[in-house]
Order: sequence, then C-alpha cells, then structure tokens
Amino acid sequence: ETGVTQSPTHLIKTRGQQVTLRCSSQSGHNTVSWYQQALGQGPQFIFQYYREEENGRGNFPPRFSGLQFPNYSSELNVNALELDDSALYLCASSRQGNKYGYTFGSGTRLTVV
Amino acid sequence: QQQVKQSPQSLIVQKGGISIINCAYENTAFDYFPWYQQFPGKGPALLIAIRPDVSEKKEGRFTISFNKSAKQFSLHIMDSQPGDSATYFCAASRRGGGSQGNLIFGKGTKLSVKP
Repeated sequence: ETGVTQSPTHLIKTRGQQVTLRCSSQSGHNTVSWYQQALGQGPQFIFQYYREEENGRGNFPPRFSGLQFPNYSSELNVNALELDDSALYLCASSRQGNKYGYTFGSGTRLTVV
Repeated sequence: QQQVKQSPQSLIVQKGGISIINCAYENTAFDYFPWYQQFPGKGPALLIAIRPDVSEKKEGRFTISFNKSAKQFSLHIMDSQPGDSATYFCAASRRGGGSQGNLIFGKGTKLSVKP
C-alpha cells in the first residue's frame, strides 16, 4: 500500500508568481485535503476535494485553488504569491472524507522571496 | 480565534520519564480528538485518538485522558524514549465532512527526551 506522495519537496518562488503543488493520494483513498503549516504552527485547513469537487474550504482567499483528477490525485494552485504564503503545504488523503483515517504526505516546503 | 489551545510549547523529559501535553478546546460540537506526531521533514502521523464518550484511551505507552466538562484532553507518554523526540499536535474536529469535519490543530509541543 503506497502512502501519500507530494511534489516537489521544496520550492522557491518570487512574490507575485504562481505555483502548483501536486499530491498523489494513498491507494484506496478518494478524498484529498490540503493544509498549510507555517513555521512553528499547527496545520491549517485550506480545502478538501471529493469526487473532483471542492467539498469544504477554510479561511483562505480565492487565490488558493485546487483540482482533483479522476485518479484522485490533486493539485493546489496559489496565484499572486505573497511572502506570508511561505509554509509547508501538506496533503492528506482519506476514504470518502473519513476524517478518522487521514494519511498525511511529507509536504512541500514553499519559500516566497 | 484559536479553538484548540495546546501547552506547553516545549518539553524536556529524561529517558524513562512521563511526558504530559495538554490541550483545551472551546467548541462543544467537537466530536473527535486526535493526537499527531511529526518528525522534522515529515508530515504529521496519527498517534492516538479519542471520542468524547470515553474518558481515557490507552495504546501501548500512549494514553489520552479526556475531561468533557472541563473541555480538556491530554497526552501522556509513559517511559519516554529518545525516539519519541518530535513535535506533537493535538487536534479536534466537528461531526460531519468537508469544512465542518476538518481538523483544527493546536500550535504544537516540541518534545525532547534526553538519554
């Protein structure tokens, strides 16, 4: 059983640019949630995707958007990057939105300069 | 508004000792309280979780104590080992899926177990 894989592992972008982060869900999982973890903080919920539709969103602006594909993999897109977007972005997959069975990936470390 | 407050921010324990991390929550609609362990460069991994209908849950050296009336829960790590050195997060979520059921995390406790 493969776990959750995220790519890239590290990324440096300039303020104002756009970025796409990718996540492959664990085998058998059809729901993907994205979290932002700032340095020294706990993860914060960005949004969740189920059946290729956004299924809930946290307190993040519209420049944070996502996609889920038929194979349940997902992308997180962030437009007009700001310095405060620098963080570890975590993807978690689960079965049918089952919050009890979250499996997190190792994350993508995004640095905005 | 922080819905889950975690303390202490950091903790140093001798090998073999007991590590205790505390969390307090505000929303009485929360119905699931997990603890996650995170090593540097890795994502959080579920350690142990509890529902509000029980007051204690034990798995190996890890125990969650839950006090519904005080809206508090804690993680006890018995016989702490250097390999337990990591950051621990408590979390909570409401019944339901999507944004309702998302996990709300505390700010984390960095545990160091000295040999």
